[in-house]
Amino acid sequence: DTGVSQDPRHKITKRGQNVTFRCDPISEHNRLYWYRQTLGQGPEFLTYFQNEAQLEKSRLLSDRFSAERPKGSFSTLEIQRTEQGDSAMYLCASSLAYGNNEKLFFGSGTQLSVL
Amino acid sequence: DQQVKQNSPSLSVQEGRISILNCDYTNSMFDYFLWYKKYPAEGPTFLISISSIKDKNEDGRFTVFLNKSAKHLSLHIVPSQPGDSAVYFCAASATQLTFGSGTQLTVLP
Repeated sequence: DTGVSQDPRHKITKRGQNVTFRCDPISEHNRLYWYRQTLGQGPEFLTYFQNEAQLEKSRLLSDRFSAERPKGSFSTLEIQRTEQGDSAMYLCASSLAYGNNEKLFFGSGTQLSVL
Repeated sequence: DQQVKQNSPSLSVQEGRISILNCDYTNSMFDYFLWYKKYPAEGPTFLISISSIKDKNEDGRFTVFLNKSAKHLSLHIVPSQPGDSAVYFCAASATQLTFGSGTQLTVLP
């Protein structure tokens, strides 16, 4: 299977703990995105990378959140000092960007529950 | 502010009939529009897209219509099948994809 892979699928943590999620994009894709989705809402953009460069961050991405894509391949999203409001589905997507018409391919997400 | 709106949270349709899902947007800079389908516990799956230079795009049972003057987008599924039951998200792109809140489609056998 050459789709977008996310790990773990589920994460339960206590408030104040740090968590890290991993995303492996489709191998030939140069762009990688992180989105967050809460119940009853559509995915909300957090940040994206083109190769290893982080090009844009949403204002939703507080300073407790950090994302990396060290070699332009897989990416990690870390949340420090988690809060209950961080509970959400964290989705990773990748694309092969050319021109403006870009289709994102999503992984199955990591469901985070902060107790 | 919600730049992409799906005002119907749910829709039920009989198998074999047409499903019409609607989407409105406010940002005139959007130039590419997509529909995604999402099953529970899975990520969204790309379904169909349309560029702002077109007003219709068709792919099998799925057709997307774009009315730029009304800033309105719709997805038609015909004939609807029970396997189409899922949450459908409209998305629009200027720089990043902005998603609507989704419509739960239920196709009744």
